[in-house]
Amino acid sequence: DTAVSQTPKYLVTQMGNDKSIKCEQNLGHDTMYWYKQDSKKFLKIMFSYNNKELIINETVPNRFSPKSPDKAHLNLHINSLELGDSAVYFCASSPTANTEAFFGQGTRLTVV
Amino acid sequence: GENVEQHPSTLSVQEGDSAVIKCTYSDSASNYFPWYKQELGKRPQLIIDIRSNVGEKKDQRIAVTLNKTAKHFSLHITETQPEDSAVYFCAALPTGEKLTFGTGTRLTIIP
Repeated sequence: DTAVSQTPKYLVTQMGNDKSIKCEQNLGHDTMYWYKQDSKKFLKIMFSYNNKELIINETVPNRFSPKSPDKAHLNLHINSLELGDSAVYFCASSPTANTEAFFGQGTRLTVV
Repeated sequence: GENVEQHPSTLSVQEGDSAVIKCTYSDSASNYFPWYKQELGKRPQLIIDIRSNVGEKKDQRIAVTLNKTAKHFSLHITETQPEDSAVYFCAALPTGEKLTFGTGTRLTIIP
């Protein structure tokens, strides 16, 4: 019954690989996000979707591609992984675009 | 776009004392200001929020104040306890824009 769940929790992979992180929310929220938290704990938004439509796309390398098959799911695919991609990636959702975000448990990505 | 500055970056207080974390924002269109607490290895969780039509909000030991004229808002934790140790993030949200987070404050409560 977890509100925002993302998988996997940990992901260790080699440089150059392609990987995906999945996110699902059962809160009925319209808006979903991907955030990246680096080693200094800075939380930066990457993407925002509202009802499956992309509404925010920050300056993120185009190796990162989000996909929202429906408004309850927002997946993140990363191509050609680099060492600098190592971070914790958080999925989040909110009822609308102007309210608080509810975070998933995070995916710790380590690129070796 | 919105820019949020947060101070201090680290804060240590004796158990039972008060802790104050301050944030400033740049976009006068921001009208929603949440505070998140992130314990080690966990997700950020909302602890309190305030909207621009209110100057202060309190929830038990936690309070937030907002000064729209000066564009700053603060988190106050009274009677601190060991379980208050965590990283705290402020954020600001202009209507129709994205939630922008501050850089975080690592709060340590000394028993």
